[in-house]
Amino acid sequence: ETGVTQSPTHLIKTRGQQVTLRCSSQSGHNTVSWYQQALGQGPQFIFQYYREEENGRGNFPPRFSGLQFPNYSSELNVNALELDDSALYLCASSLGLEMTDTQYFGPGTRLTVL
Amino acid sequence: AQSVTQLGSHVSVSEGALVLLRCNYSSSVPPYLFWYVQYPNQGLQLLLKYTSAATLVKGINGFEAEFKKSETSFHLTKPSAHMSDAAEYFCAVSDGTGGSYIPTFGRGTSLIVHP
Repeated sequence: ETGVTQSPTHLIKTRGQQVTLRCSSQSGHNTVSWYQQALGQGPQFIFQYYREEENGRGNFPPRFSGLQFPNYSSELNVNALELDDSALYLCASSLGLEMTDTQYFGPGTRLTVL
Repeated sequence: AQSVTQLGSHVSVSEGALVLLRCNYSSSVPPYLFWYVQYPNQGLQLLLKYTSAATLVKGINGFEAEFKKSETSFHLTKPSAHMSDAAEYFCAVSDGTGGSYIPTFGRGTSLIVHP
């Protein structure tokens, strides 16, 4: 069983640009969640996808969007980058939507916006 | 609304000493509670979770936590700290309100272990 992987590891962008972050879930996991972790803070929920449909969204503007694909991969897209978007972005996959389904986190992508 | 407060952004202990990391939660319904650990440059790893079964929950790496409803607490303990325990620890709560089990995380506590 392979773990959750994310790419790239680090990324530097300038304000106003667009970025796409990628996540590969564990095989068989139908749910993927994305979190933003600012420096010194806990992860903040961005959104969740279940079987390629958005299943929930946190308090993030529409310029944060996502996709989930049938091959257990997913993307987080951020448009019109702002300085405050600098953070570690984590994805987590789980089997389904039950609370007993453990979330498995990837190592994250460190995004720096200049 | 659910929320979590972790008391102390940093906790420093000597190797072999007791580890106690504090977590208090707020929830309108019986919650699920979690502790995660994050090592440098890595994602979060689940240490243990409380899902309304036994109030004393044992996790990996010798950690355990006790759910105390009267105190709205879920403190994490380990009898004897090891150097490898140095990491960031996050408490999280989920109460299923609104039909969603998305957890809310605390701000984290950095555990420092001295030789």
